[in-house]
Amino acid sequence: ETGVTQSPTHLIKTRGQQVTLRCSSQSGHNTVSWYQQALGQGPQFIFQYYREEENGRGNFPPRFSGLQFPNYSSELNVNALELDDSALYLCASRPGMDNSPLHFGNGTRLTVT
Amino acid sequence: QKEVEQNSGPLSVPEGAIASLNCTYSDRVSQSFFWYRQYSGKSPELIMSIYSNGDKEDGRFTAQLNKASQYVSLLIRDSQPSDSATYLCAGWAGSYQLTFGKGTKLSVIP
Repeated sequence: ETGVTQSPTHLIKTRGQQVTLRCSSQSGHNTVSWYQQALGQGPQFIFQYYREEENGRGNFPPRFSGLQFPNYSSELNVNALELDDSALYLCASRPGMDNSPLHFGNGTRLTVT
Repeated sequence: QKEVEQNSGPLSVPEGAIASLNCTYSDRVSQSFFWYRQYSGKSPELIMSIYSNGDKEDGRFTAQLNKASQYVSLLIRDSQPSDSATYLCAGWAGSYQLTFGKGTKLSVIP
């Protein structure tokens, strides 16, 4: 069974640019969520997609947006990058909306200069 | 009160000792809790889930949940240098947000 895969692994962008991060969910998982983890902090919830609709959002500005596709893969888009957006971005999937734990992909390390 | 709080450490224990990691949570967080281990530069890896009051054991790991005190703990017996990592406590706040503590950094000294 293939787990959650994320791409790219590392990314360097300049302030003001836009970035797209990608996530393939685990087979059979229709719920995907994205988290941002700054250095020395726990992961912070960005948003969640369930059956292609955003159904939950954390305290992040609108320049953080996303998509979920019919095959349940997902994208995270960040516009107008700021230096504070430098972080590890984590994607996780789960089967539905129950209280099961999240299993994360390997993450994308974004550096904004 | 933050939703999930952990002592950030660092916590240092000698090899072979018991490491005790603690976490408290607010009313906003549900009764499902998880411990993740995160090595430097890597993503969090689930090591324990606990859903009901009491203890749950898995190999060298024991998770404890005390709902009355809103307290979750993780014990690691016979600590090994390979256990050196940051341990994250997490619980569901609603049906879509897994809320994490800042993590406790554990160092096991050979």
